[in-house]
Amino acid sequence: DADVTQTPRNRITKTGKRIMLECSQTKGHDRMYWYRQDPGLGLRLIYYSFDVKDINKGEISDGYSVSRQAQAKFSLSLESAIPNQTALYFCATSAGGRNQPQHFGDGTRLSIL
Amino acid sequence: AQSVTQPDIHITVSEGASLELRCNYSYGATPYLFWYVQSPGQGLQLLLKYFSGDTLVQGIKGFEAEFKRSQSSFNLRKPSVHWSDAAEYFCAVALTDKKLVFGQGTRLTINP
Repeated sequence: DADVTQTPRNRITKTGKRIMLECSQTKGHDRMYWYRQDPGLGLRLIYYSFDVKDINKGEISDGYSVSRQAQAKFSLSLESAIPNQTALYFCATSAGGRNQPQHFGDGTRLSIL
Repeated sequence: AQSVTQPDIHITVSEGASLELRCNYSYGATPYLFWYVQSPGQGLQLLLKYFSGDTLVQGIKGFEAEFKRSQSSFNLRKPSVHWSDAAEYFCAVALTDKKLVFGQGTRLTINP
C-alpha cells in the first residue's frame, strides 16, 4: 500500500462546482502539504499544515481551502471551481526539520470545464 | 529573490550516453538541496539530497549530484542513462524549516 494516498486520481467537473481532494498517509508524519503542478511552472505550494491545529497559506492559496481532520488526513477544497484551477494536484508529507525530504502521493488530475 | 532555476526545459539523450541536468539556486545562506524524479502518472520520488559535508552526493538509481557554492549550482549527473530514466526531474531548495521551493522541471527523453 502507498504511504501517501490521494483520492480521486482523476476528476472532471464543471465550473462552479465544489470539489474536495483527499489525502491520507501512513508514514506517521506531522507535516502535510498541498501543491499544484502546471507545465513549465514546477510545483507551487497551496497550503501546509504542521499539526492538526496548524494551517498555513502557501504562495497560491486564493480559491482553495483545506481541512486537517487528523494527523493522517489533509483535504483540499475548491469551493467554486474555475477553469484555471485545472492542474495536477499533489499531497506530500514530511517529518519535522529542514533536512527532511517530502514524500508525495501519486497526484490527482483535475479538469474543470 | 530566493529561487531555483532549471535552465533546460527539455533534454534528449541517447540510451547509454551520459547525462547532466542543471540546477542553479539563489539563496544567501547554506542551502538544503534536493533532486526529485517524477515518472509519468506518479508522484515525485527523492533521488538525493545535500545539506553539508562532501559536495558530491550519491543517490538512488545511479544518480549523483555535485554542490558548487561558487557557481550556486547543484547539477545532477548519471554516467549512462537507461530508457527507464525518461521522466521529469525537479530540483528543490529548502529555504526555511517550513517549505520547499521547486524549479520548473526538466523533461528527459531517451532515444533508443
